[in-house]
Amino acid sequence: RKEVEQDPGPFNVPEGATVAFNCTYSNSASQSFFWYRQDCRKEPKLLMSVYSSGNEDGRFTAQLNRASQYISLLIRDSKLSDSATYLCVVTRGGSYIPTFGRGTSLIVHP
Amino acid sequence: GAGVSQSPSNKVTEKGKDVELRCDPISGHTALYWYRQRLGQGLEFLIYFQGNSAPDKSGLPSDRFSAERTGESVSTLTIQRTQQEDSAVYLCASSLLRFEQFFGPGTRLTVL
Repeated sequence: RKEVEQDPGPFNVPEGATVAFNCTYSNSASQSFFWYRQDCRKEPKLLMSVYSSGNEDGRFTAQLNRASQYISLLIRDSKLSDSATYLCVVTRGGSYIPTFGRGTSLIVHP
Repeated sequence: GAGVSQSPSNKVTEKGKDVELRCDPISGHTALYWYRQRLGQGLEFLIYFQGNSAPDKSGLPSDRFSAERTGESVSTLTIQRTQQEDSAVYLCASSLLRFEQFFGPGTRLTVL
């Protein structure tokens, strides 16, 4: 089993839709969790950190489920500009080396 | 302020040649990472530097790959005797310890 797994998609949704991605991780000692966004042929950029209590930033909500070992990203009212690949990033406790998932592709169409 | 910069942005080389890729991290960032991303694939960790500590080289795919960093400044990734499978985008990122990683724009390496 891979350390971090994501559904590669693509998720093809119309503007205004709500879409959710999950990311599962295998190591129960994982401590830090992030969602990054990567546009085509660009570098990854941090979208949001994922805290135990969950966090929200505008249209984006991230949640952590330690019992089931997954994190989620919810995007409400999708915009065309949300089209990108969303990378899940997990760091084990005691390690400084993050593990990146392969990403989930989102395509928002008019 | 300046972000992470990398040079060259593109490099085309012939099989068997050596290449050197450069990364200038954000000033004050103690941690520096190199990753490789093949077309359509995820990020593959290569090497991690933290201050003056010994680097974590556990991700380097072969002894043809090496990297150096002087203190908390510039890092260079060297690939000797390049092979076609080395073709990829090489990304550098810097961060303060355990915090958000800031990525450079990458170097796109093509080995003919």
